[in-house]
Amino acid sequence: DTGVSQDPRHKITKRGQNVTFRCDPISEHNRLYWYRQTLGQGPEFLTYFQNEAQLEKSRLLSDRFSAERPKGSFSTLEIQRTEQGDSAMYLCASSLVGGVREQETQYFGPGTRLLVL
Amino acid sequence: AQSVTQLGSHVSVSEGALVLLRCNYSSSVPPYLFWYVQYPNQGLQLLLKYTTGATLVKGINGFEAEFKKSETSFHLTKPSAHMSDAAEYFCAVSLNTGTASKLTFGTGTRLQVTL
Repeated sequence: DTGVSQDPRHKITKRGQNVTFRCDPISEHNRLYWYRQTLGQGPEFLTYFQNEAQLEKSRLLSDRFSAERPKGSFSTLEIQRTEQGDSAMYLCASSLVGGVREQETQYFGPGTRLLVL
Repeated sequence: AQSVTQLGSHVSVSEGALVLLRCNYSSSVPPYLFWYVQYPNQGLQLLLKYTTGATLVKGINGFEAEFKKSETSFHLTKPSAHMSDAAEYFCAVSLNTGTASKLTFGTGTRLQVTL
């Protein structure tokens, strides 16, 4: 069990550019979550996948944001036409959901820190 | 909707002293409650969680928390602080509704441990 990994760990980009982040969940975890954490705040839910299906999106996820999980394994989060307000830590978490919901625990990756200049 | 309030954005304790980090929640249905710890430039690590059953929950690194429904609280404690406990701590709640367990986090409490 290698844990949740995210790539890249840091990204600096200029306003207006597109960026893409990748998340590799713990093997065989069927749920994958994306959160955003701005400075001095707790993480905020963005979206989640059950296997390859994206089942919920937060109002925080504007039209410039798109997430995919094409084969139910790794996921990508793309931000188009980045704005300075997009600067944040983007966290990915995965979990294994079976028959007993109370057993679900989300395991977080190290995050991708985005800075938009 | 659910929410979490963490009282005290910064807490400073001496090494060996009691650690108490406060968390109050608001939820229209029975909540699941979590404490996570975040070290600088890292992701979140689960300390402990409350789902059902025993209201006193023990976690890793000597931490524990007690779910008090009457006070809508889930305070985190550790009898004796260690220098390695210095980090940011987040309380989180998820709804017990059978849908996805998206977490709602508090704003965090930064714990400083001094000699």
